[in-house]
Amino acid sequence: DGGITQSPKYLFRKEGQNVTLSCEQNLNHDAMYWYRQDPGQGLRLIYYSQIVNDFQKGDIAEGYSVSREKKESFPLTVTSAQKNPTAFYLCASNTPVQHNSPLHFGNGTRLTVT
Amino acid sequence: GEDVEQSLFLSVREGDSSVINCTYTDSSSTYLYWYKQEPGAGLQLLTYIFSNMDMKQDQRLTVLLNKKDKHLSLRIADTQTGDSAIYFCAEKQTGANNLFFGTGTRLTVIP
Repeated sequence: DGGITQSPKYLFRKEGQNVTLSCEQNLNHDAMYWYRQDPGQGLRLIYYSQIVNDFQKGDIAEGYSVSREKKESFPLTVTSAQKNPTAFYLCASNTPVQHNSPLHFGNGTRLTVT
Repeated sequence: GEDVEQSLFLSVREGDSSVINCTYTDSSSTYLYWYKQEPGAGLQLLTYIFSNMDMKQDQRLTVLLNKKDKHLSLRIADTQTGDSAIYFCAEKQTGANNLFFGTGTRLTVIP
């Protein structure tokens, strides 16, 4: 079955450490996205990539970094520069060339930094 | 710019209809979506409507779009306890690949 896999589901880190969240898709989608979700807020876009080896900053990119070396994979690194990293992180993908291209989401990674 | 607004909470009794509302500001929206998020999970696409339509029905779900007022609603008929979740509306603008999401409405179904 096709889908998006995020791992791990729960992640705990000490303040000052970098941490990388994994996102893999086998939907053959060109574009991939990282969102952050905080209670009572909508989803905020961190980074997105429309094609391999290319990515753009979203609305809240500071303190995060990404890479897109393969079509299937779009890992997100939360660096120590991110001031408030505890959140629920969602990865998504779609095929933008289609007019109606809804986002397909993974099940998320809950990151807790203490 | 883009601004998608929803009320944060809605409670209904099991068997009643639920109506979740959403307003948006960008008139260039092409598609509007409703997603459902269960606790600890990702977002699941429920339905969508193209901006030149005013209504779409899919089993228990009815989407109404008032483009003049930039108002979107999702009606769930015969609401069940399994419908308890957070519901997000989202808009896709012309030429954009990304979606812009509302804050989400937490629907609680009371048995």
